[in-house]
Amino acid sequence: AQSVSQHNHHVILSEAASLELGCNYSYGGTVNLFWYVQYPGQHLQLLLKYFSGDPLVKGIKGFEAEFIKSKFSFNLRKPSVQWSDTAEYFCAVNEGQAGTALIFGKGTTLSVSS
Amino acid sequence: KAGVTQTPRYLIKTRGQQVTLSCSPISGHRSVSWYQQTPGQGLQFLFEYFSETQRNKGNFPGRFSGRQFSNSRSEMNVSTLELGDSALYLCASKRDMGQGGDEQFFGPGTRLTVL
Repeated sequence: AQSVSQHNHHVILSEAASLELGCNYSYGGTVNLFWYVQYPGQHLQLLLKYFSGDPLVKGIKGFEAEFIKSKFSFNLRKPSVQWSDTAEYFCAVNEGQAGTALIFGKGTTLSVSS
Repeated sequence: KAGVTQTPRYLIKTRGQQVTLSCSPISGHRSVSWYQQTPGQGLQFLFEYFSETQRNKGNFPGRFSGRQFSNSRSEMNVSTLELGDSALYLCASKRDMGQGGDEQFFGPGTRLTVL
């Protein structure tokens, strides 16, 4: 079965620090990749997604992620975090065809101090 | 455009009871998926419905079931509740234009507590 691993359970940063959250998946075929964010008390919302093409994708709020097929990775990055980025971040993967389940990693809690 | 709505938002039940949760997808979205979110297991896929048919199912016991109506609204049912069923149940919808990469939009969830 497919699985998604997020290496960091809890990350603590100061404002303006750079962020990189790791994500690895197990499926060897064509995949669609997603990063979702859950701010305190809010719905899960999409940060960015990769279907095909340029492996460096840009999302909302200055986030970006790089798909490295050879490493089965899709790491999330942001050059300078803000206090408002405090949230839980989820990496998710599904196989590249209709009707396949979206499999989530366990999530990474990011705490940013001002 | 209204988002995904879920009712009720909070629910308290006792062991052995059954519960029905409801989800209204975004207008025009044909696929509805359900997830269980717990602190220990994270987000786990329950099932997906498309055109009133269950298209995919996660690894949950048969006590968990669902259905989708012709207007794409969906319900999930959990029978014979156990303490371990306490969780946030999330519904997500997507347009589903035939590609797995459609974005899923999530609702606020129903917080189920089993006593």
